[in-house]
Amino acid sequence: GQQVMQIPQYQHVQEGEDFTTYCNSSTTLSNIQWYKQRPGGHPVFLIQLVKSGEVKKQKRLTFQFGEAKKNSSLHITATQTTDVGTYFCAGDDYKLSFGAGTTVTVRA
Amino acid sequence: GAGVSQTPSNKVTEKGKYVELRCDPISGHTALYWYRQSLGQGPEFLIYFQGTGAADDSGLPNDRFFAVRPEGSVSTLKIQRTERGDSAVYLCASSADRRGEAFFGQGTRLTVV
Repeated sequence: GQQVMQIPQYQHVQEGEDFTTYCNSSTTLSNIQWYKQRPGGHPVFLIQLVKSGEVKKQKRLTFQFGEAKKNSSLHITATQTTDVGTYFCAGDDYKLSFGAGTTVTVRA
Repeated sequence: GAGVSQTPSNKVTEKGKYVELRCDPISGHTALYWYRQSLGQGPEFLIYFQGTGAADDSGLPNDRFFAVRPEGSVSTLKIQRTERGDSAVYLCASSADRRGEAFFGQGTRLTVV
């Protein structure tokens, strides 16, 4: 079955710095979704990418879908304390198979 | 309601007991998912409903787990003969269609003692 892998598992970032988290699927995806889960909370939808090579931006967040539709990335610029949480990608083979997530901590 | 509602928010039960976890999805959402999340892990798929039918139950760990959605709205996840390893947060999500944004409930934290 489909497997979604995320790296890194943990990301410790200095406030103001940029970082990128990556998502790789064992199979071609019809689309990919990204979610954010704050400590103690539930996953909250961020974005969905559908087209090969698609790039979408949300303020300081940039999401990209690979040309082969098997990988994706999330790049955050000028990290803030509000970015703390775990970021999950979810491959859509209707099951929404989630990766293990990248847990982000921010040093002020 | 405005969002996905799960009850109870917390459930402590003794090993061997039966439990039911309820999910009220967003009105009109045809797709409903159940996930299980352990500490430090991503949500683990359990079962997916499209309407009243279980379109995919391949994630249910064993036959102690069962879920229903009789009228295509509220869903109940049922766990028989609970084991300590069943302890986790059980998340429910609904979506307007099977390829769209999924809205998650706050989850039910199940503790088996």
